[in-house]
Amino acid sequence: AQSVAQPEDQVNVAEGNPLTVKCTYSVSGNPYLFWYVQYPNRGLQFLLKYITGDNLVKGSYGFEAEFNKSQTSFHLKKPSALVSDSALYFCAVRGVNDYKLSFGAGTTVTVRA
Amino acid sequence: NAGVTQTPKFQVLKTGQSMTLQCAQDMNHEYMSWYRQDPGMGLRLIHYSVGAGITDQGEVPNGYNVSRSTTEDFPLRLLSAAPSQTSVYFCASTYSGTSGEAFFGQGTRLTVV
Repeated sequence: AQSVAQPEDQVNVAEGNPLTVKCTYSVSGNPYLFWYVQYPNRGLQFLLKYITGDNLVKGSYGFEAEFNKSQTSFHLKKPSALVSDSALYFCAVRGVNDYKLSFGAGTTVTVRA
Repeated sequence: NAGVTQTPKFQVLKTGQSMTLQCAQDMNHEYMSWYRQDPGMGLRLIHYSVGAGITDQGEVPNGYNVSRSTTEDFPLRLLSAAPSQTSVYFCASTYSGTSGEAFFGQGTRLTVV
């Protein structure tokens, strides 16, 4: 069975500081990895994905994520956080031969001015 | 381009009532799925479909039925609502096989009293 762990329920950072949201996964075979963001009372929006190739993936709104196969991690990063980045972030994994997408519990990011 | 449309946005049901949550997508995606979101638990897969006429169970299928008669529509039926089904429900569709990102609707907030 595949699964995702997001070890931090909340991350608090000051505006302008680096932001990191952690994610580790478990899946049979090679993974497809995704990050989504959810603003209050909204659906999930896609940020970025890792399929294959370069371990550093760049996505929307200045976010990037680094795939580390040996540590089975896919941490989300942003060099300089904005107050508008405050939201709920979800990491998700899917096996390459499986349509089912498994989500972590989510991490609430608060960026203070 | 509307993307994924869910109706209704809000619903209150009495225990034992039935209802159908509607989901429609206009992107010609073959794969569609239903999730429920509960605090601290992320999104959990209820049912999914890899094409018209094909459906399968996800992680938490009990109490829910689905059908897929067309590519565009994927309704979720609650046959006899229970308070444990109080949740926010999201429909999603995916393109490009298993490497594609999911597109989510805006959600239906369901309360069962």
